[in-house]
Amino acid sequence: AQTVTQSQPEMSVQEAETVTLSCTYDTSENNYYLFWYKQPPSRQMILVIRQEAYKQQNATENRFSVNFQKAAKSFSLKISDSQLGDTAMYFCAFMKRSGGGADGLTFGKGTHLIIQP
Amino acid sequence: GAVVSQHPSWVICKSGTSVKIECRSLDFQATTMFWYRQFPKQSLMLMATSNEGSKATYEQGVEKDKFLINHASLTLSTLTVTSAHPEDSSFYICRPTGGNTEAFFGQGTRLTVV
Repeated sequence: AQTVTQSQPEMSVQEAETVTLSCTYDTSENNYYLFWYKQPPSRQMILVIRQEAYKQQNATENRFSVNFQKAAKSFSLKISDSQLGDTAMYFCAFMKRSGGGADGLTFGKGTHLIIQP
Repeated sequence: GAVVSQHPSWVICKSGTSVKIECRSLDFQATTMFWYRQFPKQSLMLMATSNEGSKATYEQGVEKDKFLINHASLTLSTLTVTSAHPEDSSFYICRPTGGNTEAFFGQGTRLTVV
């Protein structure tokens, strides 16, 4: 079984600052995906960024980037030039890369990020 | 991107009644549907997984007779909460998958049982 740990229940930064959310995971799998999801007050789950474990290059999406350390089983999210609209819950998630059917996501407990004006 | 429609977005029902939640994949075929439950200030917890045309697989601790899942077509799955009680009040989210669509969730349904 997989576990995902987010050790920061809440973080608060000023607008335009850079913030890093931490995530560690435990698995015996070698092929898997890692995700960061954003859940704003509307509660719609929005994919922020995705990383495939076999790729060494860290994924980036505009202001969002990850630091993926496979050996350390660490997958942190960096948000640059933070904006008020970034205020949300952020969930780190793990998914096995199965050969056939789909697998469910295993989520961390989440980090509540607050961007202060 | 793929479009997922979940209805209703919120529902209030009386204790003892049943509530049906629909999840539709509008532009792709959902071979597998995941149903999650989220309590306030908590993470998403997987309730069950269903493959089109097959019986759902429930996670430990989830009552299959209380949470009925139907996945009769590749574009529609339903979750029925039977004989609902106040402790069933929660936020329910679906996630259909079909190929590389693990990113797409329904909008969620806030269920309040009074």
